[in-house]
Amino acid sequence: KNEVEQSPQNLTAQEGEFITINCSYSVGISALHWLQQHPGGGIVSLFMLSSGKKKHGRLIATINIQEKHSSLHITASHPRDSAVYICAVRSASKLTFGTGTRLQVTL
Amino acid sequence: NAGVTQTPKFRILKIGQSMTLQCTQDMNHNYMYWYRQDPGMGLKLIYYSVGAGITDKGEVPNGYNVSRSTTEDFPLRLELAAPSQTSVYFCASSYGDLNTEAFFGQGTRLTVV
Repeated sequence: KNEVEQSPQNLTAQEGEFITINCSYSVGISALHWLQQHPGGGIVSLFMLSSGKKKHGRLIATINIQEKHSSLHITASHPRDSAVYICAVRSASKLTFGTGTRLQVTL
Repeated sequence: NAGVTQTPKFRILKIGQSMTLQCTQDMNHNYMYWYRQDPGMGLKLIYYSVGAGITDKGEVPNGYNVSRSTTEDFPLRLELAAPSQTSVYFCASSYGDLNTEAFFGQGTRLTVV
């Protein structure tokens, strides 16, 4: 079993829908990162959090340390949100990455 | 703002050839990392550096070498390219280690034939 599991692996949504991507992990962590990888390949950091909730524009990230679970929400989704979303956990001075959730938002 | 710059973006190598993937950052970050991304897999750490003159192995270091002579530069060297090294390579940097944001380069898509 991978240390970091993401679900779903693939997600198709219509423009305007509310989207949730989940990340579960099995190790103790000091921080969790959400990253976005666009079709061009570059990776951008969206959030880094160790407790509670963070919001940036239409993106919201939450984490429950006790349940070892984090969610990334996208409100009012738009085709430009189409990308792969990657969860990564920081533990013992290293980052362990999930395999990503591929999101496609259609008109 | 340049951030983390990787070159080249694409490269095709023949088996046994050598090459260096370049990575430079202009944020004065202490920590730098090399990852590889294979289809259907999470990024795997190849090597990392906590400062100039200091490097250490990650999860998948075999077949690679690195150096860190300056804070800005962290090149990755492939000495004898093998098909198993076909992958997308990402360089990243962060100011500190724990609980600091990581910045990634645009990636290098390497094919070994």
